Amino acid sequence: AQTVTQSQPEMSVQEAETVTLSCTYDTSENNYYLFWYKQPPSRQMILVIRQEAYKQQNATENRFSVNFQKAAKSFSLKISDSQLGDTAMYFCAFLNTGTASKLTFGTGTRLQVTL
Amino acid sequence: GAVVSQHPSRVICKSGTSVKIECRSLDFQATTMFWYRQFPKKSLMLMATSNEGSKATYEQGVEKDKFLINHASLTLSTLTVTSAHPEDSSFYICSASEPRVGNIQYFGAGTRLSVL
Repeated sequence: AQTVTQSQPEMSVQEAETVTLSCTYDTSENNYYLFWYKQPPSRQMILVIRQEAYKQQNATENRFSVNFQKAAKSFSLKISDSQLGDTAMYFCAFLNTGTASKLTFGTGTRLQVTL
Repeated sequence: GAVVSQHPSRVICKSGTSVKIECRSLDFQATTMFWYRQFPKKSLMLMATSNEGSKATYEQGVEKDKFLINHASLTLSTLTVTSAHPEDSSFYICSASEPRVGNIQYFGAGTRLSVL
């Protein structure tokens, strides 16, 4: 079974600064996806970024990028130029490729962006 | 990304009544949908996997007779909370697996259920 660990329950960052959220996982699989989902106060789960395990290049989506270290089973999220709208819970998640299998979520990191 | 619609967004019901929550994939066909429950300030807890045309697969500890799941079409799954009790009050979220993009899960906006 897979496990996903987010060791930072809460973080705070000032507007326009950069913050990194950590995530580690454990799996015996070789092919999988990793995700970061954002859940703002509205509670709508929003896909922020995804990474295919077979790709060595780190995924990037505008201000969001990841540092994927497959050997270390680490998948951190970097948010650059933080904005007030980035305030949310952030969940790291793991998914086996192939069949529509279950997402395994971490416990989440609550990010507060301050003025 | 793909769009998943969940309805209603909020429901208040009396104890003992049943409540149905709908989850629709609007622009793709989803053979697999998922139902989660989320407690305050906690992560999502998977309740069951809903498979089109077959019985749902429930996670350990989830009562299948309490939480009825029907996935009658490729775009619709429903969760019925039967004989609801106050302890069933929670936030319920569905997701649909999009096969064209590696089965990424897209989420509905959630349903807040309050049982009086």
